[in-house]
Amino acid sequence: QKEVEQDPGPLSVPEGAIVSLNCTYSNSAFQYFMWYRQYSRKGPELLMYTYSSGNKEDGRFTAQVDKSSKYISLFIRDSQPSDSATYLCAPREAAGNKLTFGGGTRVLVKP
Amino acid sequence: GAVVSQHPSRVICKSGTSVKIECRSLDFQATTMFWYRQFPKQSLMLMATSNEGSKATYEQGVEKDKFLINHASLTLSTLTVTSAHPEDSSFYICSARVWTSGPYEQYFGPGTRLTVT
Repeated sequence: QKEVEQDPGPLSVPEGAIVSLNCTYSNSAFQYFMWYRQYSRKGPELLMYTYSSGNKEDGRFTAQVDKSSKYISLFIRDSQPSDSATYLCAPREAAGNKLTFGGGTRVLVKP
Repeated sequence: GAVVSQHPSRVICKSGTSVKIECRSLDFQATTMFWYRQFPKQSLMLMATSNEGSKATYEQGVEKDKFLINHASLTLSTLTVTSAHPEDSSFYICSARVWTSGPYEQYFGPGTRLTVT
C-alpha cells in the first residue's frame, strides 16, 4: 500500500463546475498537508496547505483535512479551462523536510 | 517571490556521458534544496536532500556515485548525472525550502527533461 493514494483520473468536468479531489494517507504523523498543481512538463506549483485537521479557503480553492479518517480534500469552485492540470497532494510530518507525494489526479475542465 | 530556476530546461546526451543540471533560487537564500525525478504519468520521487555546505542525503535506492549533488552556495545546487544511460531519461525537478509565516514550504523549479540516447 502506498503511503499517499490519489485517484489518477482523468476527472473531466464542464466549465463552472465544482472539482472535488481527494487523497488518503496512512502515516498518522503527517501534520502539514500541501496541494500542488502541475501543468504538463512543468514543475509543481504550491496552491495551498493546511495544518492538522480543518478547513482552509483561498479564493476558489478550499482544502479540508480529516485526520481521524486520514482523508484530504481539495475543492475548486467555478472551475476554468486553465484549471486543467494534475493536482498532487503532498503531506509531511511536523519536523521533517520530506514531502510524500500522491500519484496525482489529472483534471480536465471543458469549455 | 520564491522563484526557483533550472538550467537547462531540456538536454539530450549520448549514453556514457555526464550531464550537469543547475538549480537556482532567484530571490531568496535556500539552505535546503531537494532533487526529484518524475517518470511519465507518475508522481515525483525524492532523490536527495541537499544542504548548503554539507553532503547531500540520498533516499534509499538512489546511487550517490551516479547522481552527484553539490550545494556550494545558498542560491545554487547542481545535480550531475554521471555515465548516463537511457534508463536515466526522466524529468528532473529541484525545489527549495522557504520559511514563510507558516511552516517551511517547498517551491519547485520548472524541471529539466533529460533524454539519453
